[in-house]
Amino acid sequence: QQPVQSPQAVILREGEDAVINCSSSKALYSVHWYRQKHGEAPVFLMILLKGGEQKGHDKISASFNEKKQQSSLYLTASQLSYSGTYFCGTESTGANNLFFGTGTRLTVIP
Amino acid sequence: DAGVIQSPRHEVTEMGQEVTLRCKPISGHDYLFWYRQTMMRGLELLIYFNNNVPIDDSGMPEDRFSAKMPNASFSTLKIQPSEPRDSAVYFCASSYIGLAGSGEQYFGPGTRLTVT
Repeated sequence: QQPVQSPQAVILREGEDAVINCSSSKALYSVHWYRQKHGEAPVFLMILLKGGEQKGHDKISASFNEKKQQSSLYLTASQLSYSGTYFCGTESTGANNLFFGTGTRLTVIP
Repeated sequence: DAGVIQSPRHEVTEMGQEVTLRCKPISGHDYLFWYRQTMMRGLELLIYFNNNVPIDDSGMPEDRFSAKMPNASFSTLKIQPSEPRDSAVYFCASSYIGLAGSGEQYFGPGTRLTVT
């Protein structure tokens, strides 16, 4: 039930954009996005509920395609502070559990 | 608020010993989650509580693991007996709202457990 994230790793120069994808084989109720810096705890970014919503704050946004059971995280005009590992967590319809993907390691260089 | 508090931050123990990890959630949060993170398996939800009652423990790996929440401000995760494969970082998180309610989870700093 673990969602699949892609890519596994990406390196960007400051100011470049990136897209991280998360897909599941199960019908989804919600998708959670977290960022974790090395040696630290995960930090919440956003949650999207079924219904195909989009969310965003600052230059980080996400979409949720319920029919395709996919979510994408968009990072625009990347900053050095965006570096870290991004995890998506998926909650299936009718389930009481949250499964995280293996993460996407994002490195932003000057 | 001090955030989610976990103790100890680091624990090194020998195989076969009992290990107890502790967590104090953010005051007012009704949900508490225990996670395990390893390089091989990533971030795994072990168990979570709502108002001190366990809601789902399907992620608990085996009977050697047990979790309790005797009151709203304290939870423990116990491993007895511990094995080297239990070595991981264990996170506790809390939230106002549960999974189905789009609740933002606040993670503690984690406990790095090493079983030799």
